[in-house]
Amino acid sequence: DTGVSQNPRHKITKRGQNVTFRCDPISEHNRLYWYRQTLGQGPEFLTYFQNEAQLEKSRLLSDRFSAERPKGSFSTLEIQRTEQGDSAMYLCASNLGETQYFGPGTRLLVL
Amino acid sequence: AQKITQTQPGMFVQEKEAVTLDCTYDTSDQSYGLFWYKQPSSGEMIFLIYQGSYDEQNATEGRYSLNFQKARKSANLVISASQLGDSAMYFCAMREGRYTGNQFYFGTGTSLTVIP
Repeated sequence: DTGVSQNPRHKITKRGQNVTFRCDPISEHNRLYWYRQTLGQGPEFLTYFQNEAQLEKSRLLSDRFSAERPKGSFSTLEIQRTEQGDSAMYLCASNLGETQYFGPGTRLLVL
Repeated sequence: AQKITQTQPGMFVQEKEAVTLDCTYDTSDQSYGLFWYKQPSSGEMIFLIYQGSYDEQNATEGRYSLNFQKARKSANLVISASQLGDSAMYFCAMREGRYTGNQFYFGTGTSLTVIP
């Protein structure tokens, strides 16, 4: 499978816990994006990497959120001290040219 | 103001018929890209079609075509010969500017149901 992969696919956690998601982009893609999607909405941009450099962060990305892409390949998104409002689908996408290709997402439920 | 507006929360179409999903966009950039994605209940966003702002011809990909009307700032998706497997959420998206690394802005989506 040469598409974008994300792990885990589902995560249930208790409020206040930390969670970490992983994204593996398409291998030759140097750009990687994180989006958040809540029910009934389209994806909202969170942050973007070109290789290992984090070039842009949305205002949606509070200080409880941190993302890394240490070697310019896979990326991790960590949410600290989760809140119920963090419950959403977290989507990762990568591109080299015009089109962003998305992974299957990680669905987070914070109880 | 919303960058992408999709005014049809839900649409129904008879199997084998054509359907048009509406999308309008708002940008002051001369160079931008327009995209349509399909999101089945499984959650994955599947790329369908792309239109560049300087492309003079409407994009087509199999049963999908994009009706691009630049002056009206609309980029409607036309699905011909609908199939049951087309039932899903459809999102219109835009990338502003010439840089292909720029973020995408998505609309709120249209839920399409294909009726047998």
